[in-house]
Amino acid sequence: DTGVSQDPRHKITKRGQNVTFRCDPISEHNRLYWYRQTLGQGPEFLTYFQNEAQLEKSRLLSDRFSAERPKGSFSTLEIQRTEQGDSAMYLCASSLWASGRKTYNEQFFGPGTRLTVL
Amino acid sequence: AQKVTQAQTEISVVEKEDVTLDCVYETRDTTYYLFWYKQPPSGELVFLIRRNSFDEQNEISGRYSWNFQKSTSSFNFTITASQVVDSAVYFCALSDPGGGADGLTFGKGTHLIIQP
Repeated sequence: DTGVSQDPRHKITKRGQNVTFRCDPISEHNRLYWYRQTLGQGPEFLTYFQNEAQLEKSRLLSDRFSAERPKGSFSTLEIQRTEQGDSAMYLCASSLWASGRKTYNEQFFGPGTRLTVL
Repeated sequence: AQKVTQAQTEISVVEKEDVTLDCVYETRDTTYYLFWYKQPPSGELVFLIRRNSFDEQNEISGRYSWNFQKSTSSFNFTITASQVVDSAVYFCALSDPGGGADGLTFGKGTHLIIQP
């Protein structure tokens, strides 16, 4: 399977605990995105990387959230001191982007990590 | 600021009926891309179509067709002869021309239920 993968698929934690999610993008894709999706809503952009550089962060990404992509391949999203409001599906997507291209390359999404904070 | 509105929260039709999902968008960009994604119960978003703002030709792919009207800022999606497997949540999304510098802006989605 050469699609975007995410691990774990489900995570249940207690309020105040730290959690970390992993995303493995499609191998040749240089851009990696994180989104959050709450029940009944569309995905909301959190942050994205081009290779190892984090180029954009949404205001939704509070100080308790941190994302890394140390070698430009997989990425991790950590939430510290989880709150019940963090309960959501966390989606990762990747795309191939090259400067000078005239076309936009669509984002391919992984299956998501569903976080439940008790 | 960009915005995508999918006014239909839920649509229920009987199998074989045609159904249209509405999408209205707002953007100040002159060049942008519009998308439709399908999210079945399994949760994974499945890419359906991409359209850039300079291409207003309608597109048909099998039972799926898309109507892009720049004058009304709409990008509607029609499923002809619907099937039970079409049941899912469908999202319309908007991006900027720079490869999604701010990520995609999604609507709230339309839950489509196809009854046998």
